[in-house]
Amino acid sequence: NAGVTQTPKFQVLKTGQSMTLQCAQDMNHEYMSWYRQDPGMGLRLIHYSVGAGITDQGEVPNGYNVSRSTTEDFPLRLLSAAPSQTSVYFCASTKGRTQYFGPGTRLLVL
Amino acid sequence: AQKVTQAQTEISVVEKEDVTLDCVYETRDTTYYLFWYKQPPSGELVFLIRRNSFDEQNEISGRYSWNFQKSTSSFNFTITASQVVDSAVYFCALSEAGDDKIIFGKGTRLHILP
Repeated sequence: NAGVTQTPKFQVLKTGQSMTLQCAQDMNHEYMSWYRQDPGMGLRLIHYSVGAGITDQGEVPNGYNVSRSTTEDFPLRLLSAAPSQTSVYFCASTKGRTQYFGPGTRLLVL
Repeated sequence: AQKVTQAQTEISVVEKEDVTLDCVYETRDTTYYLFWYKQPPSGELVFLIRRNSFDEQNEISGRYSWNFQKSTSSFNFTITASQVVDSAVYFCALSEAGDDKIIFGKGTRLHILP
């Protein structure tokens, strides 16, 4: 039981490049979410999903896309990276009102 | 709309002192859930506690205790006899019963000085 896994752990992008942050969980949780963490800002919700095929926007969705084709996977896509997207990204899955977080992906956009 | 305020951005105390981290929340729901998470320097997020709005009993777990007061919309966290290993960023969070989203406060960075 690996819990919530995220890849990559660290990524450097150039402005305008695209990439996908991967997130997977093996706990069969329906609810999954993506947060970004910036200094002094806490954790802000980007997108979330209440189950396969269903996604919705959080507080800061602009510049990010998500999809949920399976219960296990919830990838986050940056279509055209911007320096403002430099952050640490956390994926989480939720069961019984408790969130289980992945280890995070540190993203640097130059 | 739900909101969580952690007014203390950063706190420093000397080891073995007690320290309280404040959390004030706003919600229109009568049923909601409150959380505390710890983020040590290694960066992972560690779940500490979940409380539902119908349970106002204080909780104690070792050196950690939580004081939930609906009258003041507060859910404060106290560390007794602090240790250097308690140094971390602590987040308070809120989830309303009708919504699966969990909203976090901005966090309090706690420094325990040896």
